[in-house]
Amino acid sequence: VQLAESGGGVVQPGGSLRLSCKVSGINFSIYWMHWVRQAPGKGLVWVSHINSDGSTTGYADSVKGRFTISRDNAKNTLFLQMNSLRPEDTAVYYCALEKITVSSLDYWGQGTLLAVSS
Amino acid sequence: DIQMTQSPSSLSASVGDSVTITCRASQSIRSFLNWYQQKVGEAPKLLIHSASSVLSGVPSRVSGSGSGTDFTLTISSLQPEDFATYYCQQTFSTPTFGPGTKVDIK
Repeated sequence: VQLAESGGGVVQPGGSLRLSCKVSGINFSIYWMHWVRQAPGKGLVWVSHINSDGSTTGYADSVKGRFTISRDNAKNTLFLQMNSLRPEDTAVYYCALEKITVSSLDYWGQGTLLAVSS
Repeated sequence: DIQMTQSPSSLSASVGDSVTITCRASQSIRSFLNWYQQKVGEAPKLLIHSASSVLSGVPSRVSGSGSGTDFTLTISSLQPEDFATYYCQQTFSTPTFGPGTKVDIK
């Protein structure tokens, strides 16, 4: 099982960016997926999740209304659309696949770095 | 949201020591508690789910216990590869992580 994030970079405050997570080696379409972030030198923060068919999503309060999670099961890809970015969104963003039990993050990508700075 | 705390925030130990990390939830989460290990520069790795179920491939020296609000992760006979940061995560409601416990070499 492999998860590979992409799309990170440097964005100005107020800007937008879309992260992608390509999943291989597993039947992507039947699993819930999550985004977790980690600011430099800080701990893990859960960001968002989406169910297998994309009909159910959830967000941390800190990103609600600004971030949108989605997926394309035909392309085995998870997305995170991030709008109205703030400096405090600066972090490594990981995608993770939930397999064993509710919200257990069994497989992780290597992470992609977002820096929000002017 | 359910708040998670961990203690200690860091600890120093020697190879062969036994260490215990405590995780506490702000309300009962039954057994909806996972433990992760993260080494520097790497993604986290799931060690234990449902408070005490150790994943296949995780060394038997790693164990978890607890239910309700209080949980522990124990690593007996610490090995060099165990020096890392450990996080608990509640999944009873919107997931939240504890702040982490860094285990380093004494």
